[in-house]
Amino acid sequence: ETGVTQSPTHLIKTRGQQVTLRCSSQSGHNTVSWYQQALGQGPQFIFQYYREEENGRGNFPPRFSGLQFPNYSSELNVNALELDDSALYLCASSLDPRETQYFGPGTRLLVL
Amino acid sequence: GDSVTQMEGPVTLSEEAFLTINCTYTATGYPSLFWYVQYPGEGLQLLLKATKADDKGSNKGFEATYRKETTSFHLEKGSVQVSDSAVYFCARYSGNTPLVFGKGTRLSVIA
Repeated sequence: ETGVTQSPTHLIKTRGQQVTLRCSSQSGHNTVSWYQQALGQGPQFIFQYYREEENGRGNFPPRFSGLQFPNYSSELNVNALELDDSALYLCASSLDPRETQYFGPGTRLLVL
Repeated sequence: GDSVTQMEGPVTLSEEAFLTINCTYTATGYPSLFWYVQYPGEGLQLLLKATKADDKGSNKGFEATYRKETTSFHLEKGSVQVSDSAVYFCARYSGNTPLVFGKGTRLSVIA
């Protein structure tokens, strides 16, 4: 059984650019959640997708947007990148929104 | 709002020492509680969980008991190894709210 995978592993962007991060959920999981983990902090919830619909959103501005595809993989898009967006972005999948979340290895984004 | 508070690190122990990492939570209702571990340069791995009061989660020698009366979920291990060096996160989930994490506790085990 394949676990949660994310791509790319590392990314460097400049301020004002846009970025797309990708996540493949674990087999059989229909729910994907995205988190931002700043250095030395715990992960902060960005949003969750369940069966291709947004199912909750944290305290992040609209320039953070997402998508879930029919195969339940997901994308996180960030527009107009800011220096403070530099972080580890984690994707987690679960059988449904109430079940245990399993995390991918993360994408480390550096904004210069 | 709902929150999780962990003891501040870093925690440095000698190999075979006893480990306790404190975690308390605030919550409405009856949350599920989790410990996740993050090894250097990696994502989060689920270590153990408990879904109701008095449940004990255990895995790889680690244990934590869901204490509703003290709103705590302390992580313990009787004898730590160098390979246990990592950052440990306590988290809660309740109803339709997302996972809420503590700030993490860095553990360093020296031989």
